[in-house]
Amino acid sequence: KNQVEQSPQSLIILEGKNCTLQCNYTVSPFSNLRWYKQDTGRGPVSLTIMTFSENTKSNGRYTATLDADTKQSSLHITASQLSDSASYICVVSLTGTASKLTFGTGTRLQVTL
Amino acid sequence: KAGVTQTPRYLIKTRGQQVTLSCSPISGHRSVSWYQQTPGQGLQFLFEYFSETQRNKGNFPGRFSGRQFSNSRSEMNVSTLELGDSALYLCASSLQGLGSPLHFGNGTRLTVT
Repeated sequence: KNQVEQSPQSLIILEGKNCTLQCNYTVSPFSNLRWYKQDTGRGPVSLTIMTFSENTKSNGRYTATLDADTKQSSLHITASQLSDSASYICVVSLTGTASKLTFGTGTRLQVTL
Repeated sequence: KAGVTQTPRYLIKTRGQQVTLSCSPISGHRSVSWYQQTPGQGLQFLFEYFSETQRNKGNFPGRFSGRQFSNSRSEMNVSTLELGDSALYLCASSLQGLGSPLHFGNGTRLTVT
């Protein structure tokens, strides 16, 4: 059972609009949470990495938030552009003797004119 | 600095055959990890190599194996291919392992017929 759930599964928005993607996780013990952007036919590219103690992290028009108490994260995209059309993947990294990454199944975002 | 390079970009194989995929990490990165990505399962972790030793392993059958060379280049081998092995295979490199930022290649698209 996937312990990192993302919503919505897909999303269509108009260029220039804002949007927010959600990531809920149940995995623990938690080390960090990452958001990746994956263009079609390409490998994922890191957007943000947040540790347990961080609440927010920005990368240009991308802002990620983290609530470790409720185990929720969100990725907010401001003033969307056509180039934002991609899949966005939430990844949780666990601590412990063996590092482990748990991936969400992603949100497919399409930005249209 | 050159990014992560994966070869070949595309592969078509027949059931029962074996295949070897190659990954050249970013210069100076000692950790290489491998992932399988399918539409139904999303990204799944295969294994990680660090300084020529397998350090972490996901839940894949023994048909999936890998190795890392002294120059940090890595290969992944899949034996006795099955139709379900059709996927995008991604590798990522990092300085210190799965807990540190991952840099992905653009993957090898494997189709098993």
